[in-house]
Amino acid sequence: QKEVEQDPGPLSVPEGAIVSLNCTYSNSAFQYFMWYRQYSRKGPELLMYTYSSGNKEDGRFTAQVDKSSKYISLFIRDSQPSDSATYLCAMSQSYSSASKIIFGSGTRLSIRP
Amino acid sequence: NAGVTQTPKFRILKIGQSMTLQCTQDMNHNYMYWYRQDPGMGLKLIYYSVGAGITDKGEVPNGYNVSRSTTEDFPLRLELAAPSQTSVYFCASTHQSRDEQFFGPGTRLTVL
Repeated sequence: QKEVEQDPGPLSVPEGAIVSLNCTYSNSAFQYFMWYRQYSRKGPELLMYTYSSGNKEDGRFTAQVDKSSKYISLFIRDSQPSDSATYLCAMSQSYSSASKIIFGSGTRLSIRP
Repeated sequence: NAGVTQTPKFRILKIGQSMTLQCTQDMNHNYMYWYRQDPGMGLKLIYYSVGAGITDKGEVPNGYNVSRSTTEDFPLRLELAAPSQTSVYFCASTHQSRDEQFFGPGTRLTVL
């Protein structure tokens, strides 16, 4: 079993729709949860960062963590064609730059105009 | 700031050839990382460095070597290229006290 599971998609939705992206994980020691966005032929860039359980909102993006279910989500409201990208979840056990960050395999998202 | 830069952007190697992937960052970050990204497999850590002169293995180090003689540069060396090393390679760096990793644009390597 992979430590982090992520539906690879592709996921295609019309512009303006609400998008839900999800990851599950097996290691209960994970405490720091991240979402990266990766445009085609580019490196990943950090989108959201949360600690432990709860919600965090940033503009049209909301990150949600449910540690009891080992489940994290990223919601995108009022989706735009510019949101078309691959979204990678990532998580780690400690807030240390050298700590091992485990990445999901990524979900490819396409927003249709 | 240019951020994290990687060269070359693309490369095709024959089996058994060697090459060095270059990575440079101008943000004065102490921590640097090398990942490979295979289709549907996410990012796998190859090697990382916490400062000049210090390197350590990640999850998939076999077939690779690194060095860190300066804060800015973190080259990745492939000595005997194999088809299994066909992948996209990303270099990343981060500030000592923060976990946000800044990624370079990647190097697409094909070994035939």
